[in-house]
Amino acid sequence: GAGVSQSPSNKVTEKGKDVELRCDPISGHTALYWYRQSLGQGLEFLIYFQGNSAPDKSGLPSDRFSAERTGGSVSTLTIQRTQQEDSAVYLCASSLVYSGVEQYFGPGTRLTVT
Amino acid sequence: GESVGLHLPTLSVQEGDNSIINCAYSNSASDYFIWYKQESGKGPQFIIDIRSNMDKRQGQRVTVLLNKTVKHLSLQIAATQPGDSAVYFCAESWSGNQFYFGTGTSLTVIP
Repeated sequence: GAGVSQSPSNKVTEKGKDVELRCDPISGHTALYWYRQSLGQGLEFLIYFQGNSAPDKSGLPSDRFSAERTGGSVSTLTIQRTQQEDSAVYLCASSLVYSGVEQYFGPGTRLTVT
Repeated sequence: GESVGLHLPTLSVQEGDNSIINCAYSNSASDYFIWYKQESGKGPQFIIDIRSNMDKRQGQRVTVLLNKTVKHLSLQIAATQPGDSAVYFCAESWSGNQFYFGTGTSLTVIP
């Protein structure tokens, strides 16, 4: 595709349920990032993947959050036992290499936990 | 201007005027900076970048200035248009590390 795509665009879930958010990066981009953006706030780094290296999970807020990237392409962010404070827009970005170049962002998934 | 941890600053300008959006970055070792524009309901969009070995870079209607002495970055938009209304973020990174984003500045262009 022409850009980074994310699905679903919106997700409403009940507290305690698990959710999966999907990201399709730009073809050929080796680096993939997940961010969280709360209302009126900046972007909070969650995790990044670079090629076949072990992911940097230093930004994940709790062990309820996990992510994987299959085949060096599509990534899934999973939030288990969702809490109301997990409500935010989850943004995925990809870049050609890891550092020193711009990231291309997807449109995000708006997660609402009721 | 914006700074990490503060509520979203706002800036209102008349259409046709120049806009200046400021950013105080946190790490003196940062060597790469990007300005992003985020319109409502969309992901951030790249505007312009600058590396630490430069102090100015120009694009189409935009100029980024970098002052490493005071860890300050600014984005200048010439002849601001209604389509420029958005939230603008600066992001910094240093070798081998991820990007860190500021809180953002909300720009409103008054027709």
